[in-house]
Amino acid sequence: QQPVQSPQAVILREGEDAVINCSSSKALYSVHWYRQKHGEAPVFLMILLKGGEQKGHDKISASFNEKKQQSSLYLTASQLSYSGTYFCGTENVDDMRFGAGTRLTVKP
Amino acid sequence: EAQVTQNPRYLITVTGKKLTVTCSQNMNHEYMSWYRQDPGLGLRQIYYSMNVEVTDKGDVPEGYKVSRKEKRNFPLILESPSPNQTSLYFCASSFLGQGNGYTFGSGTRLTVV
Repeated sequence: QQPVQSPQAVILREGEDAVINCSSSKALYSVHWYRQKHGEAPVFLMILLKGGEQKGHDKISASFNEKKQQSSLYLTASQLSYSGTYFCGTENVDDMRFGAGTRLTVKP
Repeated sequence: EAQVTQNPRYLITVTGKKLTVTCSQNMNHEYMSWYRQDPGLGLRQIYYSMNVEVTDKGDVPEGYKVSRKEKRNFPLILESPSPNQTSLYFCASSFLGQGNGYTFGSGTRLTVV
């Protein structure tokens, strides 16, 4: 079962913040986040292991609520380079499922 | 440079003509997987492999075959392609175990006419 991502799309002005959510109906070991630019391969951003940790680099961070089987990706003070489609990947026993993606557009 | 190499990048073929998309990684990863990406559906797993000679079906395996004879290579085979297999395909690899991100290949855009 694919995790559910929301919203499907979001448009921001440079400097604005955004939150992308990912939820699963299954118990999770970890959640991955990837960004895909148009016409390119998805690129790994970060992984969160069960334990409710929060991670981040630069102005992109994420949290993982193991009990609710949810993760959120936070983009702060967005830049033009943040545009792309963001995918969460949810990992359980031995497989990975990706969400349908959230298309993020950052405008000047 | 650590990478996953897919070939070809673009392919147009006719219905029923067997084709192979190659995938090779140079990171000594145990795990390799194939995905197809269609608008609005995201990445759906076709097949995966946890090691040499170990393969298993993903969510959408019909019409595809794979093999894992060597650790570095994981080709995707379409024995009799059909138009509904027109899609963007990605190969990915990682180390086994939690905490390991996936490295994706550059993708293969396949059109079956």
